[in-house]
Amino acid sequence: AQTVTQSQPEMSVQEAETVTLSCTYDTSESDYYLFWYKQPPSRQMILVIRQEAYKQQNATENRFSVNFQKAAKSFSLKISDSQLGDAAMYFCAYRSANSGYSTLTFGKGTMLLVSP
Amino acid sequence: KAGVTQTPRYLIKTRGQQVTLSCSPISGHRSVSWYQQTPGQGLQFLFEYFSETQRNKGNFPGRFSGRQFSNSRSEMNVSTLELGDSALYLCASSLRQGLNTEAFFGQGTRLTVV
Repeated sequence: AQTVTQSQPEMSVQEAETVTLSCTYDTSESDYYLFWYKQPPSRQMILVIRQEAYKQQNATENRFSVNFQKAAKSFSLKISDSQLGDAAMYFCAYRSANSGYSTLTFGKGTMLLVSP
Repeated sequence: KAGVTQTPRYLIKTRGQQVTLSCSPISGHRSVSWYQQTPGQGLQFLFEYFSETQRNKGNFPGRFSGRQFSNSRSEMNVSTLELGDSALYLCASSLRQGLNTEAFFGQGTRLTVV
C-alpha cells in the first residue's frame, strides 16, 4: 500500500516571502500522479498543482512550483511571494496511474500560517 | 458550472442512530469518491463509485455503506453511529474513473455524534 508523509505539521511565512512544504511517499509503482491540495477554513479542497511521475519536468502554476525527486520519492511544494490568502492546510496526495481507480492517498497535512 | 454539492452541511446525531449523506457531482462527472477527515486520522478513503457500481473500498467497518444512482448522485450511510464517527465527510467527483482526471471536492458534511 502507498503511504504519504508530511513531516511538518505547521509552517510559518511572512507575506512576499518563499516557503517550501515537504512531502515524501512510499510506493512500489512506477507510474502515478502526485498532487498538492489546499484546504482553507471553508473546508473545500482545492487542487493547487499536479505532477505526473513519468514527467521529469517539475510542474509550475504561477507562484506554486514543485520539486519532484522520483528516486528519492520526494515531492515538495514551493510557494513564492506568499500572500495572506495562501494561509490554509496543505495536503500532499498520491494516486496510482495503473489501478484504474481515482482513489487518493493523503498525507496528514501541513498548516501554513502567513503573517503580514 | 455548479460544483460538487454535499448536503446537509452540518448534522448532529445521537449514538446508535443512522445517517445518510448526499453528494451531487459536477454535471457530466460519473466517478464519485468519499473520504472521512478527522484530526487524528487525517483524510481516509471510504469508497469510490463509477456507473452505479462500487469500484473500490477503504478499510472501514460494514456500518459504512454507499450507493450511486443513475444520475451519478451518491449517498453514503452510516448505521449504528459511534462517537468516533464524528468527522468531516468529503465527496469528490471526477469526469471518469482513473486515468488523468482531476478530482473536484465538495465543501463536506460535518457530522457530530453525541
